[in-house]
Amino acid sequence: DGGITQSPKYLFRKEGQNVTLSCEQNLNHDAMYWYRQDPGQGLRLIYYSQIVNDFQKGDIAEGYSVSREKKESFPLTVTSAQKNPTAFYLCASRGREGTDTQYFGPGTRLTVL
Amino acid sequence: GQNIDQPTEMTATEGAIVQINCTYQTSGFNGLFWYQQHAGEAPTFLSYNVLDGLEEKGRFSSFLSRSKGYSYLLLKELQMKDSASYLCAVRDNAGNMLTFGGGTRLMVKP
Repeated sequence: DGGITQSPKYLFRKEGQNVTLSCEQNLNHDAMYWYRQDPGQGLRLIYYSQIVNDFQKGDIAEGYSVSREKKESFPLTVTSAQKNPTAFYLCASRGREGTDTQYFGPGTRLTVL
Repeated sequence: GQNIDQPTEMTATEGAIVQINCTYQTSGFNGLFWYQQHAGEAPTFLSYNVLDGLEEKGRFSSFLSRSKGYSYLLLKELQMKDSASYLCAVRDNAGNMLTFGGGTRLMVKP
């Protein structure tokens, strides 16, 4: 089946540790996105990538890093510099067909203890 | 700048009709999206408007007025499973990015 996968669903880390969240898609989409969602709020863009080996900062990139070495994969690293990392992280991808809608993965809930 | 406003919460009765409004002031516009998000899950795509007017899709309809910077999502024959957050998002001119509103949490009561 085609889709976007994120793992793990729940992740716990100690303060001060870096952690990498995975995002994989087999939809052959060029563009991929990372969002952060805090309780009761909308989505805020962290980073996005329109093509392999290229990515741009979103509205809240500080304390995060990404890579795009393969079309299918867009991992997000939450570094120790991120002051409040506990949140729900959503990955999305977008194709060029139809309305160019962004489709979301199931999300990773990160809790920093 | 980007500014997208939605009511924070709404309550409606099963079987009724509810309208969720979204107003936007953005530096560019290339379409408006509505997503549904159940608690703890990913947003799922509901509708897309780029031209003025009403788009109907089953029990859900979405309306856009570009001159007024206004959209609404209309849900008919409400069901308990419609209890969720509804997110309004505007796409930028280049078509690359979405800016989301804070979402409207809809509670459907029996």
